[in-house]
Amino acid sequence: AQSVSQHNHHVILSEAASLELGCNYSYGGTVNLFWYVQYPGQHLQLLLKYFSGDPLVKGIKGFEAEFIKSKFSFNLRKPSVQWSDTAEYFCAVITNNNDMRFGAGTRLTVKP
Amino acid sequence: EAGVAQSPRYKIIEKRQSVAFWCNPISGHATLYWYQQILGQGPKLLIQFQNNGVVDDSQLPKDRFSAERLKGVDSTLKIQPAKLEDSAVYLCASSFTGGNTGELFFGEGSRLTVL
Repeated sequence: AQSVSQHNHHVILSEAASLELGCNYSYGGTVNLFWYVQYPGQHLQLLLKYFSGDPLVKGIKGFEAEFIKSKFSFNLRKPSVQWSDTAEYFCAVITNNNDMRFGAGTRLTVKP
Repeated sequence: EAGVAQSPRYKIIEKRQSVAFWCNPISGHATLYWYQQILGQGPKLLIQFQNNGVVDDSQLPKDRFSAERLKGVDSTLKIQPAKLEDSAVYLCASSFTGGNTGELFFGEGSRLTVL
């Protein structure tokens, strides 16, 4: 079945640690890829997106993600996390059907 | 620019009762989505509208859920009768051209608790 998988359910880091959140998808055709973030008490916001071109995408707040087509992956990275990055992160995919499918989310807790 | 508006923010009902949620998308956005987000899970698409037409409602439990966007602007999602497993946050999102070429903008959601 077509799906979006996020490997980590809950990640706990100290400030200044590096972050990598995994995302894999199982759609075989052309995909557009997104990472959304949901800060506590707030609505989902777009972090970054990949449609085509350079597979290394830079987003807001120092986040980046790399699309590796051969691995069906779109992992999110940040070299040095801050306490304010505490949030839930969702990977999402849009397929040819033009609807957005989300992973289950990864909760990130950054300890000050 | 005003964001996606949703109401009510919170609703508590008993099972077998009915409930309705309202969404007003960003002005000019032709595509409107309703998602269901159960605690601990990612949002699941219920229905997608393009203007006032339904593009995808394959995951909408049509025996109890209905949605409309009569004038191609605001939308209402109804659940009748509600079940315990309908407890979730109902998210509305909109986009200008459809998700394939643009991002989705989300509202703050309507949290439903069914007792």
